[in-house]
Order: sequence, then C-alpha cells, then structure tokens
Amino acid sequence: DIQMTQSPSTLTASVGDRVNITCRAGQSFDNWLAWYQQKPGKAPKLLIYRASNLDNGVPSRFGGSGSGTEFTLTISALQPDDFATYYCHQYHSYPYTFGQGTKLEIK
Amino acid sequence: QGQLVQSGAEVGKPGASVTVSCKVSGYTFSDFYIHWVRQAPGQGLEWMGCIDPNSGDTKYAEKFKGRVTLTRDTSITTAYMAISSLTSDDTAVYFCARGSGSRWWGQGTLVIVSS
Repeated sequence: DIQMTQSPSTLTASVGDRVNITCRAGQSFDNWLAWYQQKPGKAPKLLIYRASNLDNGVPSRFGGSGSGTEFTLTISALQPDDFATYYCHQYHSYPYTFGQGTKLEIK
Repeated sequence: QGQLVQSGAEVGKPGASVTVSCKVSGYTFSDFYIHWVRQAPGQGLEWMGCIDPNSGDTKYAEKFKGRVTLTRDTSITTAYMAISSLTSDDTAVYFCARGSGSRWWGQGTLVIVSS
C-alpha cells in the first residue's frame, strides 16, 4: 500500500497569507495525485488532479506541485472561503489512499 | 458531465447489513469505475473499493474484503455498496465517486450503527 503522510495536521493562518500543505508518499509514483477540499457535511471538492492540474472553476490562487514522493498544495493568498480541511489522494495503485487531512483554521 | 445520487440515511443494528445505492446519470455508466469512500465522524477519508460497471470486476481495500460487496445494475445505472457484520466503527458517511481523482461525487449517505 502507498501510505500518504500529510503535514501539518492543523494550520492556522490569516486571510491573505500564503500557505503550503505537503504530502509525502511511502513510495514513488507517476503524479497520479489529487488534492481535495472538504467542508463540514459536504462531499470533497476536487482542486488539483495529476499533481499540478487545476480543476475547472478552481481559483488560480490554488496550485499543486511535486513529483515522486513529495507533493505540495499551495494557496497563494488565503480567502475566507478557503478555511476547510484538505486531503491528498493517490490514485496510482490499489488500494487507493488518502492523507490524513490538514485542517486550515483562521487566525 | 455526470450526477451521482445516493440513497438516504440508514440505521443498522450491530451484526446486521446495510446497502447504499448510487444512481448515476448524465454519462455512460460503463465508461468509469465507481469508487466508494467512507468518513467516520470527525475522521478522514478512507477508500473502500471500486467496481468496473462494464465487467463487474471489483477491487477492495484489505480491511473490507469479505465484509463489503460492491455490485451494479447496468439496466438502471446504479451501483451498490453492501456492508455486513456491522459494528459501531462502521458509523460513517459513505460516498460514491465516478472514476479516479474525480470531481464527481455523490452527496454521501450516513450510516448509523445502533442497537
């Protein structure tokens, strides 16, 4: 199984800040990585697919980078709507796995 | 495009089984695997397994093998997730999703295990 270790678990930041969330994989794979945003009571929302591709309609302040075993989600200038929980997800090989999540809280 | 609509909340007794359905529309059902993900209260996302609607072939996470059964009915473009031998640890919201790394998810179905 490919274990996904996400950090930090909790991130406290202010509107306008730039933040990074990191996901480290237990083994290297070919960029079959997605980032999701989830708000309470809602299904996850896809932000990034194939490690760096912005999904349709997702604001350009979101960006994904990385390859191999280390991947990063960057939010360039936090907006109030961005305070949520974020998950990385590898869909390279079965069983698919998720990171444990990063809760982004407002300072 | 695509839409996935799941069945309503379920309450199951310990040791019993429940089945959640996922009705899809707006695309060719056989073109994309259906994945199932669950989320226990206050916890993260957990991939359970997937089914190829075309062949019926399935993949399961190890912890669900033997206790979760994924099926589909192509005539009504619906996928099903059945979980048996329920325990309180199975209390969760269960989601279906179209394809891998997908933007198309069902709305989620709350399953509560309670006597």
